[in-house]
Amino acid sequence: KAGVTQTPRYLIKTRGQQVTLSCSPISGHRSVSWYQQTPGQGLQFLFEYFSETQRNKGNFPGRFSGRQFSNSRSEMNVSTLELGDSALYLCASSFRTGGETEAFFGQGTRLTVV
Amino acid sequence: KQEVTQIPAALSVPEGENLVLNCSFTDSAIYNLQWFRQDPGKGLTSLLLIQSSQREQTSGRLNASLDKSSGRSTLYIAASQPGDSATYLCAAPRWGGATNKLIFGTGTLLAVQP
Repeated sequence: KAGVTQTPRYLIKTRGQQVTLSCSPISGHRSVSWYQQTPGQGLQFLFEYFSETQRNKGNFPGRFSGRQFSNSRSEMNVSTLELGDSALYLCASSFRTGGETEAFFGQGTRLTVV
Repeated sequence: KQEVTQIPAALSVPEGENLVLNCSFTDSAIYNLQWFRQDPGKGLTSLLLIQSSQREQTSGRLNASLDKSSGRSTLYIAASQPGDSATYLCAAPRWGGATNKLIFGTGTLLAVQP
């Protein structure tokens, strides 16, 4: 079965712009989580969605937002981009929420802010 | 608050060696522990998931163990190959609440020399 699909794979944006990243989970999975990975901070949790509801949110500014659609696909949006937002953004898909199921990750979206 | 650490941060071995990667966690109340592999610039590939009720999980040349009482998990790689070169991450889901938020270790960068 198809894995987790993230689009686009690479993005270059200018400071002050906004960006939208997309994640399609494994078919049948209803939980989607987002992580930011940088060399200095490692993997940091952004937010988690289950059945179109945000279940948990990490310690990021309000410029970072997300949503989940009825087909479980999720998008995250970053407004007013800063240089420090340059990172690999990873999406994880799980069958259900509650921490008991395996997480499967996509290939990530590499965002570069110039 | 769960904290996950990995030792060593980097490891270089000649091809064919058996090796052990270590993962420590501070809170023994975990649902499971998951090991991932990450190639440079790519997403995370799930290697093994050990449920809290299990002591070991095996997949091919990989064997992961879990000791909740001591707060440790180890990933054993038998007969290492250059293709095993990657960063290995362990992660545990946050305990309590309906969330799949994963707490990640900082990773072990493995280089297998041909």
